[in-house]
Amino acid sequence: NAGVTQTPKFQVLKTGQSMTLQCAQDMNHEYMSWYRQDPGMGLRLIHYSVGAGITDQGEVPNGYNVSRSTTEDFPLRLLSAAPSQTSVYFCASRALAYQETQYFGPGTRLLVL
Amino acid sequence: GNSVTQMEGPVTLSEEAFLTINCTYTATGYPSLFWYVQYPGEGLQLLLKATKADDKGSNKGFEATYRKETTSFHLEKGSVQVSDSAVYFCALTSNQAGTALIFGKGTTLSVSS
Repeated sequence: NAGVTQTPKFQVLKTGQSMTLQCAQDMNHEYMSWYRQDPGMGLRLIHYSVGAGITDQGEVPNGYNVSRSTTEDFPLRLLSAAPSQTSVYFCASRALAYQETQYFGPGTRLLVL
Repeated sequence: GNSVTQMEGPVTLSEEAFLTINCTYTATGYPSLFWYVQYPGEGLQLLLKATKADDKGSNKGFEATYRKETTSFHLEKGSVQVSDSAVYFCALTSNQAGTALIFGKGTTLSVSS
């Protein structure tokens, strides 16, 4: 199993550009989520999904869109990038039960100029 | 709402010293509790977990006990190594399927030889 994979590893954008961060998992997990990690802030939840066709907002959803058309994929879209979105983004997945271990991807480092 | 508070870092120790990283939580019901570790340049990986009161999670010499009476889940290790240098995150999920993993802000541990 590859686990949770993310692409790209690193990206530089200009303010106003759009892009999609890709996330895929091969563990047949129902639950997938996106976090951003900023210095001194820990990990903050952006969006999450409990299954194909179902998504919901987390703590910091503004400026981000998600969709879940398949169990395996959960892309994160930035429609108009802003410098405040400079961060490291982690995708994660787990089985639906609350006590199950959550598995993280290696992260995407995004710089918005 | 649910929240996790962990001690501020950085924590700087000499090799073979005893480690404690404090973690307290606020949650309704009976959450599951986790410690995740992030090594430099990597994503997060599960270190240990406990799913009910008085459970002790353990892994790689690290331990943490789920204390409902004090709402705590402190991480301990009897003798740290240089290779333990990393950022440690305490986290919880509430006792409902499909709920998000909520993180503390992380504690940076630096171990010197």
